Amino acid sequence: EDQVTQSPEALRLQEGESSSLNCSYTVSGLRGLFWYRQDPGKGPEFLFTLYSAGEEKEKERLKATLTKKESFLHITAPKPEDSATYLCAVPRNRDDKIIFGKGTRLHILP
Amino acid sequence: DTEVTQTPKHLVMGMTNKKSLKCEQHMGHRAMYWYKQKAKKPPELMFVYSYEKLSINESVPSRFSPECPNSSLLNLHLHALQPEDSALYLCASSQESANTEAFFGQGTRLTVV
Repeated sequence: EDQVTQSPEALRLQEGESSSLNCSYTVSGLRGLFWYRQDPGKGPEFLFTLYSAGEEKEKERLKATLTKKESFLHITAPKPEDSATYLCAVPRNRDDKIIFGKGTRLHILP
Repeated sequence: DTEVTQTPKHLVMGMTNKKSLKCEQHMGHRAMYWYKQKAKKPPELMFVYSYEKLSINESVPSRFSPECPNSSLLNLHLHALQPEDSALYLCASSQESANTEAFFGQGTRLTVV
């Protein structure tokens, strides 16, 4: 069964304390993996698309990486404004449904 | 421009009312989506339109009726909703299919009373 699992569910960090969020998937024939950031009460904001193992993408303090089984979102020296829920998603192989993980709620303390 | 515009931002409706949610994009995207999101849960797919045709209906109750008048517009017609339908309704679009990233609107916060 196609599945996306994110860990941890929640993460509290001090400002400047780097860490990584994990997204593992069981979709066969990966057609892409997407990372989104979502602030409370707002729509998800697109961050990155990764298509193949070994691929990396960066944006400010965030770097996304992809292996054959999982993706990591590394956050370097985070600031309080990085606090949000980070969602990982993959398209199901047989149709246009995008499967979302449950997200990681990240809280950066000043 | 990666903007998806949803109106209204907030909606309160009674269980006997009929209302519509609207979504618009001008990115030339040919796939459009409706999602429902409850608090602290991920978005849950409701409908997918591909090239203006309904391609996925995730067993959504008939009190939700989608419509795609043209390639830029997507509507969600609401009728006889229940309080448990209260949620954030999100519209998204992507270039052609789920292979490409989807861009989301800011959502409509719906409250059914």
